[in-house]
Amino acid sequence: AQKITQTQPGMFVQEKEAVTLDCTYDTSDPSYGLFWYKQPSSGEMIFLIYQGSYDQQNATEGRYSLNFQKARKSANLVISASQLGDSAMYFCAMREGLDNTDKLIFGTGTRLQVFP
Amino acid sequence: EAGVAQSPRYKIIEKRQSVAFWCNPISGHATLYWYQQILGQGPKLLIQFQNNGVVDDSQLPKDRFSAERLKGVDSTLKIQPAKLEDSAVYLCASSFQQGTNEKLFFGSGTQLSVL
Repeated sequence: AQKITQTQPGMFVQEKEAVTLDCTYDTSDPSYGLFWYKQPSSGEMIFLIYQGSYDQQNATEGRYSLNFQKARKSANLVISASQLGDSAMYFCAMREGLDNTDKLIFGTGTRLQVFP
Repeated sequence: EAGVAQSPRYKIIEKRQSVAFWCNPISGHATLYWYQQILGQGPKLLIQFQNNGVVDDSQLPKDRFSAERLKGVDSTLKIQPAKLEDSAVYLCASSFQQGTNEKLFFGSGTQLSVL
């Protein structure tokens, strides 16, 4: 079974609008961390936001917020006031606590295109 | 603060040839990772080091891939011999330590094309 599922291969959004990128995860571990990374065409993975499984509040980082619904096992990324520079691939990822390696497992990504 | 450095940026080789990639993590980061990202897919972990010891290499094709991290700092990833399906971007990342809340810092990657 897929640990991280991103069902949207591509999304379009108009500049200044908000957009939600979906992510669902699968784990039986009560301790885990969820991450979102941005990968522009240059190739580097850029950390955006983190949510811990025990965090009571949704994480926010500037224009990024994470809509964490634990019971549904979803961790959607919300980008407010989209900018042209937000056009990139976005990856959801998870680290589990049971596995001593705590390896970061990625989804397949969503390509976001922001148009004027 | 300097980021994760990788070289070369691009590499083109023919199948059955050998290739090596180099990574220098962020200073003080104990954990180093090599990921393989095939076009259109998310990164897949190949190997994870804690200092100079291997923590996880379960997805490393050990018949052709090898990696080392001497002295717990720089790391090299080698492919010998390369196959067509090895064409991918090889990303190196580092983190201060292991843990579910530790974020990874990535380099710009090495894009490998095997012809």
